[in-house]
Amino acid sequence: AQKITQTQPGMFVQEKEAVTLDCTYDTSDQSYGLFWYKQPSSGEMIFLIYQGSYDEQNATEGRYSLNFQKARKSANLVISASQLGDSAMYFCAMRDPYGNNRLAFGKGNQVVVIP
Amino acid sequence: ETGVTQSPTHLIKTRGQQVTLRCSSQSGHNTVSWYQQALGQGPQFIFQYYREEENGRGNFPPRFSGLQFPNYSSELNVNALELDDSALYLCASTDGGQETQYFGPGTRLLVL
Repeated sequence: AQKITQTQPGMFVQEKEAVTLDCTYDTSDQSYGLFWYKQPSSGEMIFLIYQGSYDEQNATEGRYSLNFQKARKSANLVISASQLGDSAMYFCAMRDPYGNNRLAFGKGNQVVVIP
Repeated sequence: ETGVTQSPTHLIKTRGQQVTLRCSSQSGHNTVSWYQQALGQGPQFIFQYYREEENGRGNFPPRFSGLQFPNYSSELNVNALELDDSALYLCASTDGGQETQYFGPGTRLLVL
């Protein structure tokens, strides 16, 4: 079974500063995918970034980057130049390649950006 | 390109009742997954439909059932509602060959 761990308490970050959200995972599979989603108070899950287990480069998407350390089984999300609209819950998820690509989610990290 | 849509947005039911939630997948996507998100938790996988067939199921009882239509839209049915079924229900779609699942806005269900 796969497991995603997100243990940071709620975070306050100053506007324009960078923030790092921790995610560790546990799997015995060699092939897997890691995702980060943003969930504002409205409830919709918004896809941010994807990292495949065989990707040698860390994924980047605009202000989002994923610090992938395979040996440590961590996939931390870095948000640079925080904006007020970044205030949300952030979820790390893993794709199960042998289980119809279902996603297993962590419990999430709350981020509040302050002006 | 139309995104994933869900209806209704909110729903209030009483224990023992039945509910049907609907999802329209993103254009071109043939796979729909359903997730339940309890308050303060991450989403939990319920089941997935691929080309009108159930393609995997999470740890949910049989009173959670689903359907996918030829246009790839989907329904989630829950019978004999319990208080613990109160949650945000999220639908996600993908093209079977893609990595990323795209989510709809969700349906908030409250069971009294």
